[in-house]
Amino acid sequence: DADVTQTPRNRITKTGKRIMLECSQTKGHDRMYWYRQDPGLGLRLIYYSFDVKDINKGEISDGYSVSRQAQAKFSLSLESAIPNQTALYFCATSDTTNTEAFFGQGTRLTVV
Amino acid sequence: AQSVTQLGSHVSVSEGALVLLRCNYSSSVPPYLFWYVQYPNQGLQLLLKYTSAATLVKGINGFEAEFKKSETSFHLTKPSAHMSDAAEYFCAVSKGSGGSYIPTFGRGTSLIVHP
Repeated sequence: DADVTQTPRNRITKTGKRIMLECSQTKGHDRMYWYRQDPGLGLRLIYYSFDVKDINKGEISDGYSVSRQAQAKFSLSLESAIPNQTALYFCATSDTTNTEAFFGQGTRLTVV
Repeated sequence: AQSVTQLGSHVSVSEGALVLLRCNYSSSVPPYLFWYVQYPNQGLQLLLKYTSAATLVKGINGFEAEFKKSETSFHLTKPSAHMSDAAEYFCAVSKGSGGSYIPTFGRGTSLIVHP
């Protein structure tokens, strides 16, 4: 089983719909991150969380919200999806001493 | 602000040729530096990392990178490219204060390997 699991892997949704992307991890890490990947732009940070009670905005948080339900779970929501949120979304984790990030397989989201 | 710059969105080499992917970071203090690889339809996985120990870092699959403070560079090299090396490569930096290390990524370089 993967250490960082994202669901769904692929999703097509309509403009204006609410959608949630889920991430769970078995690495026991406190820190979790949501990134979006767009061609030519690399990975950009949406939100991050250092523990269950700590949520922080990243560089592109507008239009997104998150929930840290437990140490192992970190969900990303699009309250009202728009076409320019079409992208590949990654969840990642890290611990406080080893700053390497561990990634899920990604969720490919298409907003039509 | 902490950032990394990857020179060249695409690099094309022949199989067996030297691979050189360039990365420069902006920081007054040596940070933690990483190279990640992304194969098609997969997440990112770590190739190697620099954490202020040896300046020449060896990673998986024959890749290595050298930290050069005077040039603020952390270029990735491999002596002989294989077809299986074709992928997207990301340079990343992780630096903060008070333990707030946030992984920050470059825009990526697509490595194309010709037979």
